[in-house]
Amino acid sequence: GAGVSQTPSNKVTEKGKYVELRCDPISGHTALYWYRQSLGQGPEFLIYFQGTGAADDSGLPNDRFFAVRPEGSVSTLKIQRTERGDSAVYLCASSLSRGSSSVLNTGELFFGEGSRLTVL
Amino acid sequence: KQEVTQIPAALSVPEGENLVLNCSFTDSAIYNLQWFRQDPGKGLTSLLLIQSSQREQTSGRLNASLDKSSGRSTLYIAASQPGDSATYLCAVCSGWTSYGKLTFGQGTILTVHP
Repeated sequence: GAGVSQTPSNKVTEKGKYVELRCDPISGHTALYWYRQSLGQGPEFLIYFQGTGAADDSGLPNDRFFAVRPEGSVSTLKIQRTERGDSAVYLCASSLSRGSSSVLNTGELFFGEGSRLTVL
Repeated sequence: KQEVTQIPAALSVPEGENLVLNCSFTDSAIYNLQWFRQDPGKGLTSLLLIQSSQREQTSGRLNASLDKSSGRSTLYIAASQPGDSATYLCAVCSGWTSYGKLTFGQGTILTVHP
């Protein structure tokens, strides 16, 4: 697509429930990232995919958080046993691969509109 | 660990003023620095990206400079307009091995009033 697409835009759930957030990156971008933004703060890195594999998941806060990208395009962020502290905006971004030799590869990240998660 | 600070936290100016937003980072060994705009309830829009080998980038009324040695970047907005009102975020990529792993500042909330 023309831009990074995220669904749902808003999700309200109850404490303890399971949640999935979806990200569809820009066509041709093999690198995909998830960030989390709490109110009044800058986004914080969660995980980075290069193709189908998670190249860096050092930002995932605990084992309740998991992300997949089975076909190297769409990614799903999964949160188990949600807690009120998980409430935030979850942002997805994509970029050209780190190894891309394209002259357009400046390392620039393009973000989606985010999925706002509220855990009651 | 890289830390990014933005000053001021908030800024309110009348329309037409030229203004400067500041960003500082603690580790000068960066790969690139990116400035974003965020409107309320929206995602991030990339404004300018400066590679570590560059000193500045310009786009329209925006000019971003980078001084790696002092760990600073500034975003200059000329002839501000009410439509420029938004939160401006600075983000640093701390090296090739951290590609795409950005460290963000907390942002500067800009209000331009008519």
